[in-house]
Amino acid sequence: EPEVTQTPSHQVTQMGQEVILRCVPISNHLYFYWYRQILGQKVEFLVSFYNNEISEKSEIFDDQFSVERPDGSNFTLKIRSTKLEDSAMYFCASTPGTSQETQYFGPGTRLLVL
Amino acid sequence: QKEVEQDPGPLSVPEGAIVSLNCTYSNSAFQYFMWYRQYSRKGPELLMYTYSSGNKEDGRFTAQVDKSSKYISLFIRDSQPSDSATYLCAMKGPNSGYALNFGKGTSLLVTP
Repeated sequence: EPEVTQTPSHQVTQMGQEVILRCVPISNHLYFYWYRQILGQKVEFLVSFYNNEISEKSEIFDDQFSVERPDGSNFTLKIRSTKLEDSAMYFCASTPGTSQETQYFGPGTRLLVL
Repeated sequence: QKEVEQDPGPLSVPEGAIVSLNCTYSNSAFQYFMWYRQYSRKGPELLMYTYSSGNKEDGRFTAQVDKSSKYISLFIRDSQPSDSATYLCAMKGPNSGYALNFGKGTSLLVTP
């Protein structure tokens, strides 16, 4: 069964450093998302991406964040200058074009900012 | 008032028990309701998807939506130790963009 994959599974970085989190969505899906989950808190929406542009973003997704689909398979989240409070689990998700509600999640990247 | 409320538990039941998990919500525009299962340090796995009110059954799992009460439930029959996980409810409206609104999750432990 097709799955969303994410790399790396864990990332440790120093405050102020840039990080890039990578995702490979399910191959025939058209909508892509990033969510985050701070330890002990609920899953929070960051951004959605369709047709090579951002379709929606939350208040969390400020100028420090950017997304890109650099090729036909990868979907990336860049955090330009990480803060301590960016430490969280970051999940990528994707949906087929006809069913935006059934979002399929990857296993996540655990980011720790020191 | 938070949009989606979910009792975090933990909920501990013996193997074979019927489990009832619930969420309440405040936004009457929500029409799409999902239940995800999340094992420790893993991504949410879609279990059930329901549109509007009513029941949906899939094997040992039944999802119920009561829009008049703004209340959704997930029932697990004949619970197994492998069902031990955190269960997240999620929902959205037809015109509320792409973001899913999640509950905080209920931690379930099924003991042998």
